[in-house]
Amino acid sequence: QVQLQESGPGLVKPSETLSLTCTVSGGSITNYYWNWIRQPPGKGLEWLGYIYYSGSTNYSPSLKSRITISVDTSKNQFSLRLSSVTAADTAVYYCARDKGRGGSFNGWFDPWGQGILVTVSS
Amino acid sequence: EIVLTQSPATLSLSPGERATLSCRASQSVGSYLAWYQQKPGQAPRLLFYDASNRATGIPARFSGSGSGTDFTLTISSLEPEDFAVYYCQQRSSWPPLLTFGGGTKVEI
Repeated sequence: QVQLQESGPGLVKPSETLSLTCTVSGGSITNYYWNWIRQPPGKGLEWLGYIYYSGSTNYSPSLKSRITISVDTSKNQFSLRLSSVTAADTAVYYCARDKGRGGSFNGWFDPWGQGILVTVSS
Repeated sequence: EIVLTQSPATLSLSPGERATLSCRASQSVGSYLAWYQQKPGQAPRLLFYDASNRATGIPARFSGSGSGTDFTLTISSLEPEDFAVYYCQQRSSWPPLLTFGGGTKVEI
């Protein structure tokens, strides 16, 4: 059964770049779409973007100027970089796989990682 | 951007009662709607996709319905473990823009 695990710094300074990695275990990263989603404390969910294992990406328009998602198939990992962060970027960041199989895109998130809290503060 | 509005924001019910949660889209999403359950300190869990397709392992007391702009998640008889926050989510046409509703908290 595939499992996802987020990793990275829990504290980032304002104006710096947030960097997180999602490690996929129990299955291959190949032939799937992989997503980043975040949730500010006590608030709702926001989809950030996805990457296909081949490297093609699609980002939320609200973050398009600051976000980069990349993939490393040799390590079965994909990563998030969010530049010029502010306190508004403080959130639990989740990685999740798209439910579609065999390279098809569904737009549904299953499964999810457990999430990692990233706080933006000096 | 398609906006999803969930109602009510909070639903106060007792175990054994029926829960009816609503999700309304600002424009038609066809059947491209999913429901998630989130418990405190946990990641969301997929309940339904394509409006009414139950995800693996989801009990039959949960049902999803609707199309176009109006969708409903129903829990026929609440179990103690069902008290949680529920989110709807849509996918728009290509390139997809994925958005969530604000959530409904089902509390005891």
